[in-house]
Amino acid sequence: GDSVTQMEGPVTLSEEAFLTINCTYTATGYPSLFWYVQYPGEGLQLLLKATKADDKGSNKGFEATYRKETTSFHLEKGSVQVSDSAVYFCALSRPSGGSNYKLTFGKGTLLTVNP
Amino acid sequence: NAGVTQTPKFQVLKTGQSMTLQCAQDMNHEYMSWYRQDPGMGLRLIHYSVGAGITDQGEVPNGYNVSRSTTEDFPLRLLSAAPSQTSVYFCASSYGQQGYEQYFGPGTRLTVT
Repeated sequence: GDSVTQMEGPVTLSEEAFLTINCTYTATGYPSLFWYVQYPGEGLQLLLKATKADDKGSNKGFEATYRKETTSFHLEKGSVQVSDSAVYFCALSRPSGGSNYKLTFGKGTLLTVNP
Repeated sequence: NAGVTQTPKFQVLKTGQSMTLQCAQDMNHEYMSWYRQDPGMGLRLIHYSVGAGITDQGEVPNGYNVSRSTTEDFPLRLLSAAPSQTSVYFCASSYGQQGYEQYFGPGTRLTVT
């Protein structure tokens, strides 16, 4: 079945440090890939997405490139801020038969950024 | 737009009690889903709906029922609460299928004693 594997957290960085959160996936066909972010006490919200191989998603200084050859979608940011402290989820979606689609999440990576 | 709203925000139940978690969206989205979030487990899909009158099971459907009588509402019913159902529940909606963003509600934190 489909699966998404994220690097284990928690990740603790100092402000202005470089961030990488690794994400690899297993799925048949051509899934779409997402990064969602969950701030404390809130629901998830979309951070960025890519729908086909070699696409780069970007938002708020975060980037991720859809690499089909390595089945990866690593999240990067050049200079993190305290306000980036949150849980980050990698996810994929693909058709699962008929008009349905299936969305699979990774387990999440907690990021804490210290001043 | 209010987006996706969920009520209640917090709930404590005793084992064996039943209750309904409410979810509504005002974006005219066809697709709605319920997830539960547990520590170290990520989000797991409970039930989903691809339109009014159509529902289907997700990864962990046992102990839960859903119905979709209107496009806007997608309630989740716990039939007989168990401590294993202690979790944070999120409702989500989306405009379309693969590649479309899911919009999440703020969540309901449920404790079953």
